[in-house]
Amino acid sequence: QQQVKQSPQSLIVQKGGISIINCAYENTAFDYFPWYQQFPGKGPALLIAIRPDVSEKKEGRFTISFNKSAKQFSLHIMDSQPGDSATYFCAASFTNAGNMLTFGGGTRLMVKP
Amino acid sequence: NAGVTQTPKFRVLKTGQSMTLLCAQDMNHEYMYWYRQDPGMGLRLIHYSVGEGTTAKGEVPDGYNVSRLKKQNFLLGLESAAPSQTSVYFCASSRTRDRYQPQHFGDGTRLSIL
Repeated sequence: QQQVKQSPQSLIVQKGGISIINCAYENTAFDYFPWYQQFPGKGPALLIAIRPDVSEKKEGRFTISFNKSAKQFSLHIMDSQPGDSATYFCAASFTNAGNMLTFGGGTRLMVKP
Repeated sequence: NAGVTQTPKFRVLKTGQSMTLLCAQDMNHEYMYWYRQDPGMGLRLIHYSVGEGTTAKGEVPDGYNVSRLKKQNFLLGLESAAPSQTSVYFCASSRTRDRYQPQHFGDGTRLSIL
C-alpha cells in the first residue's frame, strides 16, 4: 500500500491556468515534503520542498500548501505554461538511516497552448 | 559536469538471464540509491548505500542485489530476470547525511524482460 497517495493521475490545463496536484499521507512521522519534476526521458529533479513548521512555501509560480491536521499537501502552479508539461511526484520523509523518500504515484501534467 | 550517469540506457533480456546496471556519479556524494519506476506507482526504492562498502534494502529488494565497491559507483544486479522486473530503473545520489539535500537522478535505464 502506498503511504503517500497522489491525485489526479493526469491533468490537462490551458496555458495561463492554475494546475493543482494533491497528496495525502498516513505516517505522522513524515516531516519533510519535497516535490520532484520529471520531463520525458529524464530523471526526476527537485522542484520545491516544505517542512511542516510552515503552511505555505512559494518559489516563483510554484507554491506548496501544507495542512498538517489533514495530513495533506498540494502543489499549485500558477500561470501554467506548456514548458511545465511534465510528470510531478510528491514525496515524504522522516529521519531515517538512508534519508529515504517515499514517493506518490505521480501526476502527468499537460499544459495546452 | 556529468552528474549521475546510468548505463545502459535500454536493454532487452530473456527470462532467466542476468545483467548488471551501472550507476556512476562525479559529485563525490556519500549516499546512492536505486529505484524502479512503474506506471501509477511512482518511484520505489530497491536498495541504497550510505557509503563505500555499505548497502541496505529498500522497499522492494527481492530479486536484486547491489554493490558499492567504489564511492562513485553503485551497481544493481539481476541474477535471474523475471517479466515482473520490466521497468524503468533510476539511480540517484545525495551529498550528505543532511536529508534536506536533494537527490540527484540519472536519466534512467529502460529494461524489458521477455
